[in-house]
Amino acid sequence: QAGLTQPPSVSKGLRQTATLTCTGSSHNVGNEGPAWLQQYQGHPPKLLSYRNNKRPSGISERFSASRSGNTASLTITGLQPEDEADYYCSAWDSSLNVWVFGGGTKLTVL
Amino acid sequence: QVQLVESGGGVVQPGRSLRLSCAASGFTVSSYAMHWARRAPGKGLEWVALILKDGSDKYYADSVKGRFTISRDNPKNTLYLQMNSLRAEDTAVYYCAKESDGLDIWGQGTMVTVSS
Repeated sequence: QAGLTQPPSVSKGLRQTATLTCTGSSHNVGNEGPAWLQQYQGHPPKLLSYRNNKRPSGISERFSASRSGNTASLTITGLQPEDEADYYCSAWDSSLNVWVFGGGTKLTVL
Repeated sequence: QVQLVESGGGVVQPGRSLRLSCAASGFTVSSYAMHWARRAPGKGLEWVALILKDGSDKYYADSVKGRFTISRDNPKNTLYLQMNSLRAEDTAVYYCAKESDGLDIWGQGTMVTVSS
């Protein structure tokens, strides 16, 4: 099953801005836009944003999502040590009738 | 509060079966689409299965199709994952998740180890 494509790793400095990308197709990312999840090792994932780039309550404004065509982005501003985690994009694939995850991006805050 | 608690994981031999449970509180599982996902050691998240809120449709990842079955018990407000013909590559932490504009509520996960 085709998944979504994310860079395996991104490294940025403290207080800098990181932009994580997620590339899919018109059947998933290009359809309604992906959701973004954050996961720390040994913990369950946490929803950061969902379709139409909305943020659940309690999620910092430092996290913002956008989409252009079949590529989506999660931008994290003012990087903090606690932002060091794995980030996943996810979406329903309307052609395959499956939920798909990206391979995940490990964000390192230097 | 809204919560999901998985149970039923453990160590099982290849070819054997295991049933995972996901008890919900603070909401009704039959009012939402519910998912199972997993994360194998050293790997990323992998979606496993979905049951729609009316229970009529179920969807599976190719890697588990024909071996795993997702179901729910509405009176018990519990989601299940029946896993048959388990393989070493099924070793992972299994999570249940509620879908409401994205997978917004996740359980803590239960570890399944398939090993002889």
